[in-house]
Amino acid sequence: GAGVSQSPRYKVTKRGQDVALRCDPISGHVSLYWYRQALGQGPEFLTYFNYEAQQDKSGLPNDRFSAERPEGSISTLTIQRTEQRDSAMYRCASSLEGGPFVEQYFGPGTRLTVT
Amino acid sequence: AQSVTQLDSQVPVFEEAPVELRCNYSSSVSVYLFWYVQYPNQGLQLLLKYLSGSTLVKGINGFEAEFNKSQTSFHLRKPSVHISDTAEYFCAVTPGGGYNKLIFGAGTRLAVHP
Repeated sequence: GAGVSQSPRYKVTKRGQDVALRCDPISGHVSLYWYRQALGQGPEFLTYFNYEAQQDKSGLPNDRFSAERPEGSISTLTIQRTEQRDSAMYRCASSLEGGPFVEQYFGPGTRLTVT
Repeated sequence: AQSVTQLDSQVPVFEEAPVELRCNYSSSVSVYLFWYVQYPNQGLQLLLKYLSGSTLVKGINGFEAEFNKSQTSFHLRKPSVHISDTAEYFCAVTPGGGYNKLIFGAGTRLAVHP
């Protein structure tokens, strides 16, 4: 079956613009996660949804970052007034349910470059 | 707070040689440990995980890892690597108690040479 998909795969934007990154999880997966991966680093947790509820947003770096999952399926990560330091790979993952025992399936990521 | 240290950023190895990728974690509570692999232009794929029970865990593609609580380590091993194992490998931990987020190490790039 289809895996986690993300769009766009690559996004180049000018500093100060807003961007919206989309994640389409595996059908039926209840839990959805967003991570950010800087070059040469491992992914860093941003936020987590269970169905449409945002259960943990402790990793969002500041209030320019927000995420939503209004119908408990597709999720959008929005970055307002982008800065060069926001350049990174943004990864989405989904799992059948919440909990540490359950495998997270990762999408291919969106490479964001802020110029 | 939990953290993960991958001691080698790059590991070059010849084909059919054994390899060990090192991972240490810090935590004051019980943790669950994972190894993920990332092939170029693809998402991360789970190799193996330790939740409880036997400290030797076997995963896909012939990889295995051993959980050592006293040394807070979870090193990944393969007795004989192939060219196709060239990829980036990430060790990760998730704390117990219902938390779901993965805390990753910085990754180890495994380069298998013919």
